[in-house]
Amino acid sequence: GAGVSQSPSNKVTEKGKDVELRCDPISGHTALYWYRQRLGQGLEFLIYFQGNSAPDKSGLPSDRFSAERTGESVSTLTIQRTQQEDSAVYLCASSLGGFGSYEQYFGPGTRLTVT
Amino acid sequence: RKEVEQDPGPFNVPEGATVAFNCTYSNSASQSFFWYRQDCRKEPKLLMSVYSSGNEDGRFTAQLNRASQYISLLIRDSKLSDSATYLCVVNPSREYGNKLVFGAGTILRVKS
Repeated sequence: GAGVSQSPSNKVTEKGKDVELRCDPISGHTALYWYRQRLGQGLEFLIYFQGNSAPDKSGLPSDRFSAERTGESVSTLTIQRTQQEDSAVYLCASSLGGFGSYEQYFGPGTRLTVT
Repeated sequence: RKEVEQDPGPFNVPEGATVAFNCTYSNSASQSFFWYRQDCRKEPKLLMSVYSSGNEDGRFTAQLNRASQYISLLIRDSKLSDSATYLCVVNPSREYGNKLVFGAGTILRVKS
């Protein structure tokens, strides 16, 4: 079946502009995650959705970052007033959710470059 | 102290070698443990879960030591295709739901 998809695959934006990144999880997966990976670095947790609610937003680096999820499906990550340090690959993952269903399936990521 | 720590490497080994990676985690209440693999400029993919009794999948063996808060991955008879970054991953505790914490990764390069 279809895996996790993300769009766009690449995004180049000017400093100060807003960007919106999209994630389509695997159908039926109730849990959805956003991570950030800077070049040569590990994955940095941003936010976790269970259904449409976000019980853990602890990783969002600033109030310029926000995310929402609708219909227990698509999620969007919005970065306002982008800065150069926001340049990274943004990865989305989904899982069946619930305790004991931990395998996360990742999308190919959106490579964001802020110039 | 980082929640999950790994030796970044790189580990440069010849084909056929046995190589071991270690990982430590800080939260003693951690529930679940995994190794993920990430190829260059690709997304991470689950390699294997790590069980308390230890588990093996072909050439790969994972071990967990809860007392020492230590996880290991052993790769036998290394192949060129094993070259990748190996990520140690921990679910910190039930109160975090399905949140996973990723180590920064250990780079493996297998050479002919």
